[in-house]
Amino acid sequence: EVQLVESGGGLVKAGGSLRLSCAASGFTFIHAWMSWVRQAPGKGLEWVGRIKSQTDGGTTDFAAPVKARFTISRDDSKNMLFLQMNSLKIDDTAVYYCTTGGSPAAGIGYWGQGALVTVSS
Amino acid sequence: SYELTQPPSLSVSPGQTVSITCSGDKLGDRYASWYHQKPGQSPVLVIYQDNKRPSGIPERFSGSNSGNTATLTISGTQTMDEADYYCQAWDGDTAVFGGGTKLTVL
Repeated sequence: EVQLVESGGGLVKAGGSLRLSCAASGFTFIHAWMSWVRQAPGKGLEWVGRIKSQTDGGTTDFAAPVKARFTISRDDSKNMLFLQMNSLKIDDTAVYYCTTGGSPAAGIGYWGQGALVTVSS
Repeated sequence: SYELTQPPSLSVSPGQTVSITCSGDKLGDRYASWYHQKPGQSPVLVIYQDNKRPSGIPERFSGSNSGNTATLTISGTQTMDEADYYCQAWDGDTAVFGGGTKLTVL
């Protein structure tokens, strides 16, 4: 059974930083492209960014609103995915989902339960 | 930037068929995926590659994509299908979601 468990959410002041972690199990993580997707309270889904598998280059791509502020990394030895969020803004307040998928052909197949990040002024 | 447009809301009676549209420039040239999300739950992939169903998704869910419009069709809609539905496609190296459609079954 695929499991994605996020941790590290919480309350942070605008301008601050936060790191989310995602523990993955139930699939071959080393070969998986992974994405982060967020959802502001009462709003729709917004893709944040993705990281390719190391065999496919391990490169990252980001949505325009977070580019240069957020980074994604992975530790394949521990089946862990990370989202480092810097220079946080109030608009970054959202539930952040760790997901499998990041290629056009695959869809975003599995989703974690989400981690709430609240950015205050 | 690339945009996907969905109707904000739709309603359907149980047992009827409903189609949810997603419009975007030359969307038919890209793969479309569809997700549903029930209140308080994480989204679930119901269609990928325009018309493929993941394991465990009922056959009443089907998809198509041509021209500028992708369509998710639910045949024999059940009350359990009441949810928010989102389409998604890729614009180069970035993913884009539609704004979502709230489907009411009554």
